[in-house]
This record gives sequence, structure tokens and C-alpha cells, in this order.
Amino acid sequence: QVQLQQSGPGLVEPSQTLSLTCAISGDSVSGNSAVWNWIRQSPTGGLEWLGRTYYRSKWFHIYADSVKGRVTINPDTSKNQFSLQLDSVTPDDTAVYFCARGAGATVAYFDYWGQGILVTVSS
Amino acid sequence: DIQMTQSPSSLSASVGDRVTITCRASQTIKNHLNWYQQKPGKAPTLLISASSSLQSGVPSTFSGSGSGTDFTLTINNLQPEDFATYFCQQSYSTPPTFGGGTKVDIK
Repeated sequence: QVQLQQSGPGLVEPSQTLSLTCAISGDSVSGNSAVWNWIRQSPTGGLEWLGRTYYRSKWFHIYADSVKGRVTINPDTSKNQFSLQLDSVTPDDTAVYFCARGAGATVAYFDYWGQGILVTVSS
Repeated sequence: DIQMTQSPSSLSASVGDRVTITCRASQTIKNHLNWYQQKPGKAPTLLISASSSLQSGVPSTFSGSGSGTDFTLTINNLQPEDFATYFCQQSYSTPPTFGGGTKVDIK
């Protein structure tokens, strides 16, 4: 059974960097079938995909245009986890952040999710 | 980006009812449509992938259909644990995009 355990701060000051980690059990971050994603949910309930990382003989990192230039998703094979960094945050980045495993294809359905972390951007 | 439009945004129903939620894509996505259920304070859970493929452990009272641009999630014999918010998501092209959600509450 795959489990994703998220960690990171729930409060970030404006202009700072949001950093979250997703620890994987039951699968491998460097496996050749899964895709590792970050998704956020706004306070009004909308879901927005932020990006993914996956390994297919080399590492791929794909990001949403809405956060491109501010976002980095990196695997950590030594700890079997992956991370999200979002730079220069504003109050508009306040959301619940989820990590999720993608399956079925590179652009996938999300079959396992982390528990979610509410991140508030405020001074 | 492919826009996903769900309707209705909310509905009220009773235990035992049949509920239908629709999802429309702004362009063809073949059968690359997935459905999720989300309860308050929890992560979404995958119900159906590829338009109609029920995930393991999901009750057979749930079913999905459609292809191209128009899709439907049907819940037969609505149970108390089915009151939740439902989202569709296209996995045809990057970025994957979600519908706005349909909240199913108790009449």
C-alpha cells in the first residue's frame, strides 16, 4: 500500500519561499512507472496542478505555467521523497497543498494523495 | 489549457436517490477523464479512471460514462457516506485540469 506523508510549515511570510516535503512508502520516487505531483486547493475549493517529477532513464520536471519560474520540484532518492519549493510567495499562494502519485501515464490520474498541508501566506 | 466544466456546482439529495453529475471538456479528451470524491478536511480519493473504470474498493453504486467532451458520474442508491464533493479531472494533456466540483449534500 502506497502512503504519502507530507511535512512542512503552515505559515510563510510574503516574499519568502514555501517548502514542503512528501515522503513515500510502498513505492519508489525513482521507479519507472509512477509520476510524483504537487497539487494545491484554494480556499474556495478549486484544485490546481503545480507540477511533477518522474524518472524515465533520466529525471523530468514539468511545471504549470501559472507558477513556472517560481516553482521547483525535486526528488531525493536517498530519502525516497520529493519536495516542493515555491519562491516569492504572496497571499494568493495560500492554499492546501497536496502531493499525489500519478499513475496510468505521464499525464495521469492521481491514485494516492498525501494528507494535505494548509499553508497560509501572511506576515 | 483544457477547461473542465462541471454541473451542477451543488445539489441536494436524499438517501436512496440516484444522482448524476456532468463534466464537459473544452476540447476532446477521448476517454481520459477521472472522477474523485473529497470529504471535508481530507484529500480527494480516486473513484473512476479512464471515464468508466471503477477503482478497487469503490462501490458498484458509482459509475462513469462518456467520451470526447461530455462525461457523467452517476451514483445509484445514494448512501450517507456519499455526501461529499466530487471533481472531474482530465489526463489527456498537460497541464492536468480539474472541474470546479459538485457538492452533494443532504436534502
